[in-house]
Amino acid sequence: AQKVTQAQTEISVVEKEDVTLDCVYETRDTTYYLFWYKQPPSGELVFLIRRNSFDEQNEISGRYSWNFQKSTSSFNFTITASQVVDSAVYFCALSEAWDDYKLSFGAGTTVTVRA
Amino acid sequence: KAGVTQTPRYLIKTRGQQVTLSCSPISGHRSVSWYQQTPGQGLQFLFEYFSETQRNKGNFPGRFSGRQFSNSRSEMNVSTLELGDSALYLCASSPGLADLYEQYFGPGTRLTVT
Repeated sequence: AQKVTQAQTEISVVEKEDVTLDCVYETRDTTYYLFWYKQPPSGELVFLIRRNSFDEQNEISGRYSWNFQKSTSSFNFTITASQVVDSAVYFCALSEAWDDYKLSFGAGTTVTVRA
Repeated sequence: KAGVTQTPRYLIKTRGQQVTLSCSPISGHRSVSWYQQTPGQGLQFLFEYFSETQRNKGNFPGRFSGRQFSNSRSEMNVSTLELGDSALYLCASSPGLADLYEQYFGPGTRLTVT
């Protein structure tokens, strides 16, 4: 069964628009971490944000913000005032304590920001 | 602090051959994980090593193997290459058992099997 679901395959926006990426996860563990990674065309996975299962506080970091809701098993990510450099594939990932924290990734959402 | 390095960055092999990929973790990190990324299957966990011991393994055939050396550097080997093994292979390092959730990725090795 898919542990992490990213329903959006592709999103295309015009520069300065906000972009919200959806992520729904599935776990039986009480201790887990959720991540968002960015993968530009170069291929390297760039860490963006991490949240643990005990902290549902939503925060803003620069142009990034996230909405973690355990009740709906969702961990959505928003880029505010998008820029062309934000164009990349974004992955949501789950890491569970019982599984030695190996990462289970969603299928990814391709974000294209047009000038 | 230098990041995770992977060598080579690009590799072209022929079906039936074998290949060895190398990963050097961040200095002080003792855990190394390997992931395979393909267009069809996405990002999938291969295996994880800590202090030279394989602690976790994904659902891949025995042709995929790995090892870790005493300096934490890791290699993965794929024998009898198949066309479907063409992928981006990513390595990630973590500080240790208490911090396994902190994974830092390298640039990857892009393997093409012809």
